[in-house]
Amino acid sequence: GESVGLHLPTLSVQEGDNSIINCAYSNSASDYFIWYKQESGKGPQFIIDIRSNMDKRQGQRVTVLLNKTVKHLSLQIAATQPGDSAVYFCAENINAQKLVFGQGTRLTINP
Amino acid sequence: DAGVIQSPRHEVTEMGQEVTLRCKPISGHDYLFWYRQTMMRGLELLIYFNNNVPIDDSGMPEDRFSAKMPNASFSTLKIQPSEPRDSAVYFCASSSGTGPYGYTFGSGTRLTVV
Repeated sequence: GESVGLHLPTLSVQEGDNSIINCAYSNSASDYFIWYKQESGKGPQFIIDIRSNMDKRQGQRVTVLLNKTVKHLSLQIAATQPGDSAVYFCAENINAQKLVFGQGTRLTINP
Repeated sequence: DAGVIQSPRHEVTEMGQEVTLRCKPISGHDYLFWYRQTMMRGLELLIYFNNNVPIDDSGMPEDRFSAKMPNASFSTLKIQPSEPRDSAVYFCASSSGTGPYGYTFGSGTRLTVV
């Protein structure tokens, strides 16, 4: 069978609070980044993206921040809701079409 | 649009058997990707196609794995012979030529090899 793997980093927040999920990427040449949300039993779902010529982008209740100096990406979720419970992945665009995914962070919401 | 469709959703097979996973990409998307997800290694890109032609198969673990895309609406990932360490969730994704922002994943096939 499969070997026991690493446990995902977990972030627990109270419903209504803001969540911040962090990600370090590897390739300084990456020019495009995406955050995905994966709910149990489903495939990853696009949340928000950002190009390397930007340092911030906002969507509905979500904000992505990019710090190219330290190769760091973060996802901020405002007023976290129970439906936000999921695993969140950052992905970097290595070349024209190839995405490389980070390990993922499990977000749990406490009522 | 029905999205990316994968079949079967679950597959349980015995070690040594051949396994075939199927994917129907979104109509009009010209890129198709096969990913494998495990707790140990996360999401790994196995292979991707552009206009039905394999572009990068460097992620295919070994010769037991093969993938084909005979036409724009269908792709298969085959494992022969299967081994317990192949147990994972296999995802197919597709995107348009405008870039990875069009990346859409299917619901995955959970493969268990016993």
